[in-house]
Amino acid sequence: EAGVAQSPRYKIIEKRQSVAFWCNPISGHATLYWYQQILGQGPKLLIQFQNNGVVDDSQLPKDRFSAERLKGVDSTLKIQPAKLEDSAVYLCASSLMGSAGLYTGELFFGEGSRLTVL
Amino acid sequence: SQQGEEDPQALSIQEGENATMNCSYKTSINNLQWYRQNSGRGLVHLILIRSNEREKHSGRLRVTLDTSKKSSSLLITASRAADTASYFCATNGNNRLAFGKGNQVVVIP
Repeated sequence: EAGVAQSPRYKIIEKRQSVAFWCNPISGHATLYWYQQILGQGPKLLIQFQNNGVVDDSQLPKDRFSAERLKGVDSTLKIQPAKLEDSAVYLCASSLMGSAGLYTGELFFGEGSRLTVL
Repeated sequence: SQQGEEDPQALSIQEGENATMNCSYKTSINNLQWYRQNSGRGLVHLILIRSNEREKHSGRLRVTLDTSKKSSSLLITASRAADTASYFCATNGNNRLAFGKGNQVVVIP
């Protein structure tokens, strides 16, 4: 079974530039997550989709970050314009949807996209 | 929001020894999970314990959960060099999974 695919693996940009990350979840996984992991810290949830609807984007800096999940499969996360503090690893994860449409179990993570903002 | 806090933050042990990590959280949960992250890689799920369970085993892993103290522990027995990684607890409540800061474990061959 193929895992969660992410690209690019590494990206270096200058502040105020834009960047986009792509994620392809495990086939059949209804729930998709984007996490931000700053060096030395745990992952922080940015946005959670269930199919193509947003479940939680309370910690997404909406003035510069945007995400979409068209057709309920692939997802893109965009940052525009980037700031120095956006330097982090952006992790995509997916999970099965439990009974009654609720999340219950484990997340499957991709390898992450490491962003460096200069 | 719920967030696990692991203790200790960094642990260095000899191969063959046991490694114990603790996690505390603040609100009610449906389950608690532990993940491992090797350097430069994504997180890998290790074990899940539900709120009505007190102890669970998986291979060399043993996890306990004390909901009255809002704490969990992860024990890795007979550690190996390949166990060198960061370990995160994650609390699941209200269908949100929140991660702690992580424990860095180094197993010396």
